[in-house]
Amino acid sequence: NAGVMQNPRHLVRRRGQEARLRCSPMKGHSHVYWYRQLPEEGLKFMVYLQKENIIDESGMPKERFSAEFPKEGPSILRIQQVVRGDSAAYFCASSPQRGTGELFFGEGSRLTVL
Amino acid sequence: SQQGEEDPQALSIQEGENATMNCSYKTSINNLQWYRQNSGRGLVHLILIRSNEREKHSGRLRVTLDTSKKSSSLLITASRAADTASYFCAVNRDDKIIFGKGTRLHILP
Repeated sequence: NAGVMQNPRHLVRRRGQEARLRCSPMKGHSHVYWYRQLPEEGLKFMVYLQKENIIDESGMPKERFSAEFPKEGPSILRIQQVVRGDSAAYFCASSPQRGTGELFFGEGSRLTVL
Repeated sequence: SQQGEEDPQALSIQEGENATMNCSYKTSINNLQWYRQNSGRGLVHLILIRSNEREKHSGRLRVTLDTSKKSSSLLITASRAADTASYFCAVNRDDKIIFGKGTRLHILP
């Protein structure tokens, strides 16, 4: 039973380009969370999604960031027109139930903006 | 702001000693969880304690929860080199799970 799969593990983009980060949750999990982590810091909540629904996006920047979790396929975190401040590790976690239990994390996608 | 705040931010102890980390939070919770993160890796769930529980054990881990003080502690007994990692507490707020900034634990040989 594969764990949470994130790709790419490392992504380099130039300022102004788009970054797409993918997350396949564990089998049977329909709840996905995205977090951002800067070096030596904690995880900052970005967005919580269920299949085809955004439940809470209160941690997402108002511009350039979007997330989706379609009926089929992985969850996507999309960052348009990246800036240097977007450089960070982005972690996805999945859960079989709504917001109360254990989260299963992927290994993260490390975005570097040149 | 983050819901959980760990204390201390960093801790270095000798192998074999016990390590204690604390977490404080601000609002009522359903449960509190502790996670470990090795450098460059994803987080791994360690233990979950519900709001009606006061203490929970798992192997060398002991977690306490004091809802009147809005605080929790994680004790790792007989520490090993492999315990070197960052440790985070996490609390539910609405449907979100919010993490603190973590305690960086370093076990000295």
